[in-house]
Amino acid sequence: RKEVEQDPGPFNVPEGATVAFNCTYSNSASQSFFWYRQDCRKEPKLLMSVYSSGNEDGRFTAQLNRASQYISLLIRDSKLSDSATYLCVVNKGVAGTYKYIFGTGTRLKVLA
Amino acid sequence: ETGVTQSPTHLIKTRGQQVTLRCSSQSGHNTVSWYQQALGQGPQFIFQYYREEENGRGNFPPRFSGLQFPNYSSELNVNALELDDSALYLCASSRREYEQYFGPGTRLTVT
Repeated sequence: RKEVEQDPGPFNVPEGATVAFNCTYSNSASQSFFWYRQDCRKEPKLLMSVYSSGNEDGRFTAQLNRASQYISLLIRDSKLSDSATYLCVVNKGVAGTYKYIFGTGTRLKVLA
Repeated sequence: ETGVTQSPTHLIKTRGQQVTLRCSSQSGHNTVSWYQQALGQGPQFIFQYYREEENGRGNFPPRFSGLQFPNYSSELNVNALELDDSALYLCASSRREYEQYFGPGTRLTVT
């Protein structure tokens, strides 16, 4: 089983739709969680950190469920420019060390 | 722009050769992490440097090594290149416990 698992997609949605991605992780000691966005042949760009209480940034909402070991990303009112691969990241390092584990990413295509 | 720069942009090497990739971190960041991203995969963590010391390592063999300098810039060295080392190599900088910001990457092709 992979340490961080994501549905690779692609998720094809019309403009204006709401879409949600989940990501599961296997290490219950994982300390911090993030969502990154990656456009084709570009570097990953930080979308948002994921806090225990959940957090929202405009059209994007991230949730963490430690009991079930998953994080989610919700995108409301999808735009064409949201088309990208969304990477889930888990830090499984302990005692001051850091080991960031990326999922393989979920591809999103927003259609006109 | 993140302020993280990497050089070179592209590189072609022959199997068995050695390569050095460079990364300049964003101002104020003291931590640099290196990742390998093969086509269609997520980035794989190679190692992290904090204040010139290795501070975490992924499942990469010892022929992958690194350095961090007093100005927090960093190098990734790969010895005895193999065909499977062909990938995008990404560097990310951060303040220690905070989010990482990636550079544009170096695309390495091993023939």
